[in-house]
Amino acid sequence: DTGVSQDPRHKITKRGQNVTFRCDPISEHNRLYWYRQTLGQGPEFLTYFQNEAQLEKSRLLSDRFSAERPKGSFSTLEIQRTEQGDSAMYLCASSFYVGQNTEAFFGQGTRLTVV
Amino acid sequence: AQKITQTQPGMFVQEKEAVTLDCTYDTSDQSYGLFWYKQPSSGEMIFLIYQGSYDEQNATEGRYSLNFQKARKSANLVISASQLGDSAMYFCAMREGADFGNEKLTFGTGTRLTIIP
Repeated sequence: DTGVSQDPRHKITKRGQNVTFRCDPISEHNRLYWYRQTLGQGPEFLTYFQNEAQLEKSRLLSDRFSAERPKGSFSTLEIQRTEQGDSAMYLCASSFYVGQNTEAFFGQGTRLTVV
Repeated sequence: AQKITQTQPGMFVQEKEAVTLDCTYDTSDQSYGLFWYKQPSSGEMIFLIYQGSYDEQNATEGRYSLNFQKARKSANLVISASQLGDSAMYFCAMREGADFGNEKLTFGTGTRLTIIP
């Protein structure tokens, strides 16, 4: 399978716990995006990387959220001290940027439930 | 102000009929891109079609076409000859700005399309 892969697909955690999600983009893609989708809404942009550099972060990304892409390949999104409001689908997407935009491909997402 | 508006929360369409999903947008940029994505119950966002703000022709991809009316700021998706597998959530999205390397998308709230056999 050469698509965008996200792990885990589902995560249930207690409030106050830390969680970490992983995204493996399409191998030749140099851009990687994280989005959050709450029930009944469209995805909202959180942050994106070009190679290992984090180029933009949304105001939605509070101090409890941190994303990394240490080697410019896979990325992790960590949420510390989870709150019930963090319950959502976390979507990862990747694309290949060569001075002009190309289509972004999305993974199947990680559904987080905070109880 | 909401940048992408999808006014149809849900639609029911008979199989084999054509369906139009509405999308209006708001931007002050001259350069922007408009997208439609399909999200089945499995969760992944599937890219369907793209229209650039400077494209003079309406985009088409197989059974999908985008009815782009720039002056009205609308970008409706038309699906011809609907199939049962078209049942899903459909999202309209926009990328703003002249920097077409910035693929940060703003999504609407979506339309749930159900195809009736």
